[in-house]
Amino acid sequence: GIQVEQSPPDLILQEGANSTLRCNFSDSVNNLQWFHQNPWGQLINLFYIPSGTKQNGRLSATTVATERYSLLYISSSQTTDSGVYFCATGGGNKLTFGTGTQLKVEL
Amino acid sequence: DAGVTQSPTHLIKTRGQQVTLRCSPISGHKSVSWYQQVLGQGPQFIFQYYEKEERGRGNFPDRFSARQFPNYSSELNVNALLLGDSALYLCASSLTGIGETQYFGPGTRLLVL
Repeated sequence: GIQVEQSPPDLILQEGANSTLRCNFSDSVNNLQWFHQNPWGQLINLFYIPSGTKQNGRLSATTVATERYSLLYISSSQTTDSGVYFCATGGGNKLTFGTGTQLKVEL
Repeated sequence: DAGVTQSPTHLIKTRGQQVTLRCSPISGHKSVSWYQQVLGQGPQFIFQYYEKEERGRGNFPDRFSARQFPNYSSELNVNALLLGDSALYLCASSLTGIGETQYFGPGTRLLVL
């Protein structure tokens, strides 16, 4: 099956800093999502982005499907951005998740 | 509009028991998927249902089963519980389940003692 790798596994930022999270996948996909999992376990949709670039406030994402990677940019980070960020992808009807990036934003 | 809802929120069972978890999708969504997330890992796909038919199954033993009802809600059943079944069980819904955004519920935390 498809393999999904995320980097870095852990990231500590000072409030106000910018960061880039990366997601590599092993096969062509027609479906890629970025999620933020809060400390209570809720997976919050950030982007559905099988290709191209999207922006939503301080967050933006780019997927280059032909090169099998996606990037999530967080600008001017805030403490509320802390949590685990997952990318997930797959063909057809199931999502395969990466192992996540644990982000901690400190004052 | 209400999001995906799941019940119960927490559950404690003992080894060998059976458990039923419930999920109600977003109104208008006909596809429901179930995922298991053990501590420190990403969610793992268990099942997908669309229009009451099983559309996909992950690499889980036959102790795991699910069904979808005419109102598109779904149940996940796990028999003969093992300690390793302790996890967060997540339900996701989408319109058709293929090539579109999936929306996740808050999950059910299952602890098997």
